[in-house]
Amino acid sequence: GQNIDQPTEMTATEGAIVQINCTYQTSGFNGLFWYQQHAGEAPTFLSYNVLDGLEEKGRFSSFLSRSKGYSYLLLKELQMKDSASYLCAVMNRDDKIIFGKGTRLHILP
Amino acid sequence: DAGITQSPRHKVTETGTPVTLRCHQTENHRYMYWYRQDPGHGLRLIHYSYGVKDTDKGEVSDGYSVSRSKTEDFLLTLESATSSQTSVYFCAIRKTDNTEAFFGQGTRLTVV
Repeated sequence: GQNIDQPTEMTATEGAIVQINCTYQTSGFNGLFWYQQHAGEAPTFLSYNVLDGLEEKGRFSSFLSRSKGYSYLLLKELQMKDSASYLCAVMNRDDKIIFGKGTRLHILP
Repeated sequence: DAGITQSPRHKVTETGTPVTLRCHQTENHRYMYWYRQDPGHGLRLIHYSYGVKDTDKGEVSDGYSVSRSKTEDFLLTLESATSSQTSVYFCAIRKTDNTEAFFGQGTRLTVV
């Protein structure tokens, strides 16, 4: 089966940097996704990692270590609009995409 | 995003009635997914499809069936709706090269 863990809630300050961790166990890893979801809205795609290493996309970066079953999403220069839930999802060899329960990020002024 | 549309956006139905939700895409992507999202549970996979007439079960498939008779449409059916199926339902499509997956706007279903 699959198991995906991420912290339930985190708080950070505007202008700071925050790292949201995700650990996973899966039968046949085929990629990891990160999404942002504002309350009452659909999730929006942030990143996809299938190889080890860091992928940078503007203020957001995503890291993957397949050997450790570990990923993180790094958000820099935090803005109030970054207050949202961040969802980690793993795709297995059967093409199923399974989500963790999400991390609710609160940004303080 | 990526030409994905869900219908209806909102629906209220009575216990025991059948309900069908539609997910429509305009870009001929192979993979389509149905999820439900509930407080405390996050997004849970109901069923998914990897091609026309090719579907498989997800984590919470009991009480749901799906059909994909053409590439652009993926239908989710609740044969006999129950109050426990009150939820927000999201459809997602994944690009064949694996690099991105996009969600529809969601359908809020209430079973009374």
